[in-house]
Parts: sequence; C-alpha cells; structure tokens
Amino acid sequence: QVQLVESGGALVKPGGSLRLSCAASGFTFSDYYMSWIRQAPGKGLEWLSYISSSFGSTDYADSVEGRFIISRDNAKNSVFLQMNSLRAEDTAVYYCARYMVAPTGPYFDYWGQGTLVTVSS
Amino acid sequence: QSVLTQPPSASGTPGQRATISCSGSSSNIGTLSVNWYQQLPGTAPKLVIYNNNQRPSGVPDRFSGSKSGTSASLAISGLQSEDEADYYCASWDDSLKGWVFGGGTKLTVL
Repeated sequence: QVQLVESGGALVKPGGSLRLSCAASGFTFSDYYMSWIRQAPGKGLEWLSYISSSFGSTDYADSVEGRFIISRDNAKNSVFLQMNSLRAEDTAVYYCARYMVAPTGPYFDYWGQGTLVTVSS
Repeated sequence: QSVLTQPPSASGTPGQRATISCSGSSSNIGTLSVNWYQQLPGTAPKLVIYNNNQRPSGVPDRFSGSKSGTSASLAISGLQSEDEADYYCASWDDSLKGWVFGGGTKLTVL
C-alpha cells in the first residue's frame, strides 16, 4: 500500500534553516509528481510546492518562492523540502502528498502523517 | 482570506444528508476540476472526491460531489458519527498559478 513518511520537523529559530524529508513506498516513486502542503496550527491547508516525476521541474507558492526548495531522489524514493530564512509564520505541520496529474484533472491522492515545524526564538 | 469560500460549519443528525458548498471563480473552479478532502481530528487529510464527482476506491458511496459554474458541493448522505471532520475543497488556479484551498468546513454530527 502507498505510504508516505515525513521527517525532519523541529524547533528552529527565526532566520534558520531546516530540511524535511518524505520517504515513499508502495508505488513506483519515479512515475509520480510529489508535493508539499502545510497547515498552521488551527488553520487551513496551504499548498507550497510540487516537483515533476522525471525532469524535476518545480513550482512554488508565492509565500515560499525564493526561500524553500523542493527536490527529489528517485533512487531513494524520497522528496525533500529545504526551508531557509524561516519565519514565525512558517510554523505548521508539513505534509508531503502524491500528486496525480491526470488528463481529467490533477489531485493529491495520498498524504503522509505530517511533521511539525516550529519557528520560535 | 481563502481564494475558495466555504462555510465555517455545517451539521446534521445521524442518517440525514449534509451539504458543504465551495465558491470560487473563473480562474479555478470555473474552468478546472475540484477535489475534496476529509480531515479527521488529529490526522492527515484524505481524498474523498476528485475530478468534481469521482470517488476514490474505499470511499463510501454516501459521499458525492458536484460542480456548477464557479461553485462546487460535497454531499454526505446517511450521516454517521465517523463523518464528523473538517472538509476542504481544492482546485488549481490558473491566474495564481498554484493550488488553492477553501478555508475548511467543520462538520458536526449532532
């Protein structure tokens, strides 16, 4: 079965950096786009970024463009989110999700359990 | 302020039908498909409807979705206590060039 397991969440000071990882299993990882989505405490969902399956093309939300970098290692079935210049408003649970790019319309079909990032001094 | 607008709350009694609306614009729902996610307390979101009205394998047929113009709806018939959760709509936005979510609707089964 499809499994996505995030790791790397931690308490970090404003201005600091953190790298999140998401280990995938149960499907052919290299065939799928992947995405990161976050949820601030008590708030709704916010899409952050996606990366394509093979050529690694990427896209970002304006809120993280220039600060966050998504990458993947198909040999290790993993996707990463490098987060730099962190701010208090980046405090959230970060989810990785499998991103289905279907002809009828795209969607996130599987989500990990999330990893908590807290940005505070 | 979310790009997609959902009511903050909805409710129903067991066995009833509940409906949650999601209002967008021509740059998202108006031209692109809508997906719905269920988030049970303390858990990750789960896809319950994709491509406006398609149910993933394993999602009960009590869940249905529809779209008309720039709005979409999620309907849950035969409400059960385990349906109590937050529900989010989502769509790609061609103007913002990114995914947008509704603010979420908390469904209470009374």
